[in-house]
Amino acid sequence: DADVTQTPRNRITKTGKRIMLECSQTKGHDRMYWYRQDPGLGLRLIYYSFDVKDINKGEISDGYSVSRQAQAKFSLSLESAIPNQTALYFCATSDFHGPDTQYFGPGTRLTVL
Amino acid sequence: AQSVTQLGSHVSVSEGALVLLRCNYSSSVPPYLFWYVQYPNQGLQLLLKYTTGATLVKGINGFEAEFKKSETSFHLTKPSAHMSDAAEYFCAVSDQGTAGANSKLTFGKGITLSVRP
Repeated sequence: DADVTQTPRNRITKTGKRIMLECSQTKGHDRMYWYRQDPGLGLRLIYYSFDVKDINKGEISDGYSVSRQAQAKFSLSLESAIPNQTALYFCATSDFHGPDTQYFGPGTRLTVL
Repeated sequence: AQSVTQLGSHVSVSEGALVLLRCNYSSSVPPYLFWYVQYPNQGLQLLLKYTTGATLVKGINGFEAEFKKSETSFHLTKPSAHMSDAAEYFCAVSDQGTAGANSKLTFGKGITLSVRP
């Protein structure tokens, strides 16, 4: 089984809808991250969490919110989706004690019409 | 603040040719540097990393990279390209050279490698 899983893998939704993307990990890592990937822009950090009680904004947090339900679960929400949030979204984890190696999920492809 | 520059968005090589993907970084502290690879329809996976010690780092699938502090570079190379190397490659830098409590990664924009038969 994969160490970092994301659901759904693909989602098409309409403008204004609320969407939740979920991430679960079995690696036992404290740190979790949400990124979006856009062609030509690489990966940009949306939110990150260094433990269950710690949530931090990344460089592009506007329009997004997150919830860290447990050490193993980190969800990303789009409260009112808009077309420019169409992107590939990745969850990642890392170990507090490691030199920042991050382990990525398979991604969620989100399309907002 | 740290940053990563990957010049160009696409590199094409012939099978068996040398692969060279360039990465330059900016960091106010001694950097930790990473190369990740993304195969089509997959997440990113670690190719190699530099933390401390030997500046020539070997990774998976025959790739290696050399940390050159004077040039602020961490270029990725492979002596002989294989068709299976076709993917997108991302260079990344940590914002703290030591395993600090609040370190994060900054990624470059990525380079797509194509391998011609």
